[in-house]
Amino acid sequence: RKEVEQDPGPFNVPEGATVAFNCTYSNSASQSFFWYRQDCRKEPKLLMSVYSSGNEDGRFTAQLNRASQYISLLIRDSKLSDSATYLCVVNDNNDMRFGAGTRLTVKP
Amino acid sequence: GAVVSQHPSWVICKSGTSVKIECRSLDFQATTMFWYRQFPKQSLMLMATSNEGSKATYEQGVEKDKFLINHASLTLSTLTVTSAHPEDSSFYICSAGETSAYNEQFFGPGTRLTVL
Repeated sequence: RKEVEQDPGPFNVPEGATVAFNCTYSNSASQSFFWYRQDCRKEPKLLMSVYSSGNEDGRFTAQLNRASQYISLLIRDSKLSDSATYLCVVNDNNDMRFGAGTRLTVKP
Repeated sequence: GAVVSQHPSWVICKSGTSVKIECRSLDFQATTMFWYRQFPKQSLMLMATSNEGSKATYEQGVEKDKFLINHASLTLSTLTVTSAHPEDSSFYICSAGETSAYNEQFFGPGTRLTVL
């Protein structure tokens, strides 16, 4: 079983749609969780840290369920500029473990 | 967020040459930096953890004699791809983070290596 698994995607959605990405992780002792965004041929950029209580930043909402070892990212009112690959990242004792990424394309 | 730079941003070299990539934390000190490799349409794969003042820790399957890592200061780590071959062509990215309870990592802009 992979350490971090994400929805395979790709997701193709119209502008304004709401889209949700899911991610599961295998190590119950994992300490911190992140969503990164990676544009084509660029480095990943931190989108959000994911806290136990859930957190929201504008159109983006991240949730963590430690019991189910599950992380989610919800994007509301999607924009063309949201098109990118979204990486679920789990920190295991200072080792960052990446999901394979989910490709999102938002179309006009 | 914190700023991490990489140099060079891209390099083309002949097979058999060695290539050095630098990773710098510009506005913070990093006792630990990470090196990743990313092949087209794949996710980042951790190659090694670079520790300031000590030997790097390599992931399984990564040859330490092929990918030399030096972390001589709190703001600089270097990765040298020795005797590069076409199969080493990839996108190499480093990351570093300030020491914090949450350990966010910030990535350099990456180095695209093409070995002819």
